[in-house]
Amino acid sequence: GAVVSQHPSWVICKSGTSVKIECRSLDFQATTMFWYRQFPKQSLMLMATSNEGSKATYEQGVEKDKFLINHASLTLSTLTVTSAHPEDSSFYICSAAQDFLSNQPQHFGDGTRLSIL
Amino acid sequence: AQKVTQAQTEISVVEKEDVTLDCVYETRDTTYYLFWYKQPPSGELVFLIRRNSFDEQNEISGRYSWNFQKSTSSFNFTITASQVVDSAVYFCALNQGGKLIFGQGTELSVKP
Repeated sequence: GAVVSQHPSWVICKSGTSVKIECRSLDFQATTMFWYRQFPKQSLMLMATSNEGSKATYEQGVEKDKFLINHASLTLSTLTVTSAHPEDSSFYICSAAQDFLSNQPQHFGDGTRLSIL
Repeated sequence: AQKVTQAQTEISVVEKEDVTLDCVYETRDTTYYLFWYKQPPSGELVFLIRRNSFDEQNEISGRYSWNFQKSTSSFNFTITASQVVDSAVYFCALNQGGKLIFGQGTELSVKP
């Protein structure tokens, strides 16, 4: 089955640090990747939709300058949390779709646990 | 507005019991897709099933079965003879223009 790799699995860093999370589709080309955030005991909330070669589309309330998304190739999207603060601590998870419009199941990475001290 | 509701926040059963997880959705679209995902304690999301709005046939896969009823906008998930390894959070989701809208999730705890 389709595999999506997310790295790193967990990050602990000091307040003010910028953190980059990578999401790779290993065995298919992903025209679209999605970034979600999940707080403990809560659901997944879509942060942004990333399309290869174009600017990401952010959901309402998500700061685009805070969460920088780059989708430079069909197999890699990155999320950079800039100047992270303790309130940014969360579980971040990406997903990839081969065809955005075909409603094929999104394949999810294993997630990144981010802890800001 | 598109919305997915999983009214059961937590369910606890004893091994070998059957358990049904409820999912009710709202959409104005005539064509849509529904999904179930499993999230074990390790955090990854595991795809379980996709169902399109034109296919109301119930589906069975091993101990898992799904009941899709368009008339009541429900897509319920039943685990037969539950096992400890089924313990996880289960999410129902609706595909809206490529984006997934997740329900709140149901945390299933299966005790030995």
